Amino acid sequence: DQQVKQNSPSLSVQEGRISILNCDYTNSMFDYFLWYKKYPAEGPTFLISISSIKDKNEDGRFTVFLNKSAKHLSLHIVPSQPGDSAVYFCAASAGGSEKLVFGKGTKLTVNP
Amino acid sequence: EAGVAQSPRYKIIEKRQSVAFWCNPISGHATLYWYQQILGQGPKLLIQFQNNGVVDDSQLPKDRFSAERLKGVDSTLKIQPAKLEDSAVYLCASSTGVDQYFGAGTRLSVL
Repeated sequence: DQQVKQNSPSLSVQEGRISILNCDYTNSMFDYFLWYKKYPAEGPTFLISISSIKDKNEDGRFTVFLNKSAKHLSLHIVPSQPGDSAVYFCAASAGGSEKLVFGKGTKLTVNP
Repeated sequence: EAGVAQSPRYKIIEKRQSVAFWCNPISGHATLYWYQQILGQGPKLLIQFQNNGVVDDSQLPKDRFSAERLKGVDSTLKIQPAKLEDSAVYLCASSTGVDQYFGAGTRLSVL
């Protein structure tokens, strides 16, 4: 029973273009969402988060959009850089709980 | 600020052997987590500690896995006996809120 789904295992984009990573969730109790970035042989690092009271959060080149009615969120990276090549995990929590449920991840490759 | 430290980085054992992993969280972080990440999957929470008490161990296979955080700082995760399906990266994370900070993990291979 996968409560957080990242249906694209991989994504390839050209440097300078936009990268859009998608995430769907099934549990309507989730109210806080996070994106983590993971390089090989390293642990995931926190990238950006969004609360369900918002529909957009921006931090530099990274923007997360939340569509609660569709139970869908997306991470936009503009412009994409080769250093952004990594695996991106979507995660969710419910009701102020610190317990995170992760998706399977999307491997992003940004080509120079 | 030092990050979450884990050791060893890699471990290879045979099935039915035992193994232990160590984690030192970020200083001042009361909450500590152990995750299992199987290849191609996202991290799955095994156990969550608040100081030295267990908050959630619902997904910990308690017949073979155990974890402790005796003084509310460092933690160890043990597997005894190991099975082939335990091959994974074991991640430790710590936090003061929802945003968790991860260590580099221990990659376990069970042969």
